[in-house]
Amino acid sequence: AQTVTQSQPEMSVQEAETVTLSCTYDTSESDYYLFWYKQPPSRQMILVIRQEAYKQQNATENRFSVNFQKAAKSFSLKISDSQLGDAAMYFCALRRNTPLVFGKGTRLSVIA
Amino acid sequence: GAGVSQSPSNKVTEKGKDVELRCDPISGHTALYWYRQRLGQGLEFLIYFQGNSAPDKSGLPSDRFSAERTGESVSTLTIQRTQQEDSAVYLCASSLDRVVDEQFFGPGTRLTVL
Repeated sequence: AQTVTQSQPEMSVQEAETVTLSCTYDTSESDYYLFWYKQPPSRQMILVIRQEAYKQQNATENRFSVNFQKAAKSFSLKISDSQLGDAAMYFCALRRNTPLVFGKGTRLSVIA
Repeated sequence: GAGVSQSPSNKVTEKGKDVELRCDPISGHTALYWYRQRLGQGLEFLIYFQGNSAPDKSGLPSDRFSAERTGESVSTLTIQRTQQEDSAVYLCASSLDRVVDEQFFGPGTRLTVL
């Protein structure tokens, strides 16, 4: 079975600062995909960043980057230069040949 | 439309009633997923349609839950004899048919069972 664990129910960050959200997972597969989704109060799930497990290079999308540690089964999200619009629930997710398996989420608050 | 749409946006029903939730995927997307999100929780997979293949129903929590999809178009999730524990947001997503392809989510239907 595949599982995803997010150990930080809530996090806060000052505007313009950097924050890191943690995610660990468990899978017996060697080839899979990892994702971070953002869910604002509108409920719309928005893909933030994805990582293919066979790639050693960490994915980056503008202010968002990941630290992928395959051996440790860790997949953290770093948000640089935090903005008020980054405030939302963030979900880590794992996928092999199955639908997405989600963690319980981290609520991020951004303080002006 | 440009994105995944779901209707209704909100649904309030009485315990024991049946409800139908609708999802319109992005045109051309062969894969369609239903997820349930309970308050303060992550998303739980319910059912997955891929083209003309038999759906993956492994996430359905009970036989009160069922879903249909006609070809590669609209899907309907039906919950019979609703219970209070069915209260949740039901999210639909669609994608192209590869594992790496992004799942595009609809805005969800918030179901409240009184």
